[in-house]
Amino acid sequence: SQQGEEDPQALSIQEGENATMNCSYKTSINNLQWYRQNSGRGLVHLILIRSNEREKHSGRLRVTLDTSKKSSSLLITASRAADTASYFCATDPSDYKLSFGAGTTVTVRA
Amino acid sequence: GAVVSQHPSWVICKSGTSVKIECRSLDFQATTMFWYRQFPKQSLMLMATSNEGSKATYEQGVEKDKFLINHASLTLSTLTVTSAHPEDSSFYICSASQAGEKLFFGSGTQLSVL
Repeated sequence: SQQGEEDPQALSIQEGENATMNCSYKTSINNLQWYRQNSGRGLVHLILIRSNEREKHSGRLRVTLDTSKKSSSLLITASRAADTASYFCATDPSDYKLSFGAGTTVTVRA
Repeated sequence: GAVVSQHPSWVICKSGTSVKIECRSLDFQATTMFWYRQFPKQSLMLMATSNEGSKATYEQGVEKDKFLINHASLTLSTLTVTSAHPEDSSFYICSASQAGEKLFFGSGTQLSVL
């Protein structure tokens, strides 16, 4: 069942700007992951943050996790046209059976 | 990173025919693979968990006889959409785990049933 919910549903920004999207979930988790999907393609894993972590960085990506609020955010800094994609959060309660949110569609304008 | 190959990328078939989609882990062994369905601009909905050497576990509401899953080896899982109808048209994606938490996804299969 779908647990995560991303916000906003869609985001349009200028190249070079930062993009922030949020994810809320309902039940306790082992970890929370963010994935990117280009149109008509499979998903690519971006970053994993464990339930005992609060912040994690990977290149231009910054992820935060607030387990008390059951929410996470993904920040993409200095966005590029190639960052145009849909971004999904996925929660892992157990057995790697990830539950995906509805996604945020990001459009980066040149 | 690990590579998961999914084939075909797209398929068009007539109503009533069956379609087989393959998902292969190319450089690792995957005891568990997952099959998802995705409608346009929507999230991935888990259909079933495919376990090597045993029966697949289907999510609630997914017809077992409609979506046949076979995981005959540690590197191959197949999804067969039997007697496909236009409402089965969708984007199907597989994923596999390399003994870790993150998943590696196939590139997806766009099925169009006429």
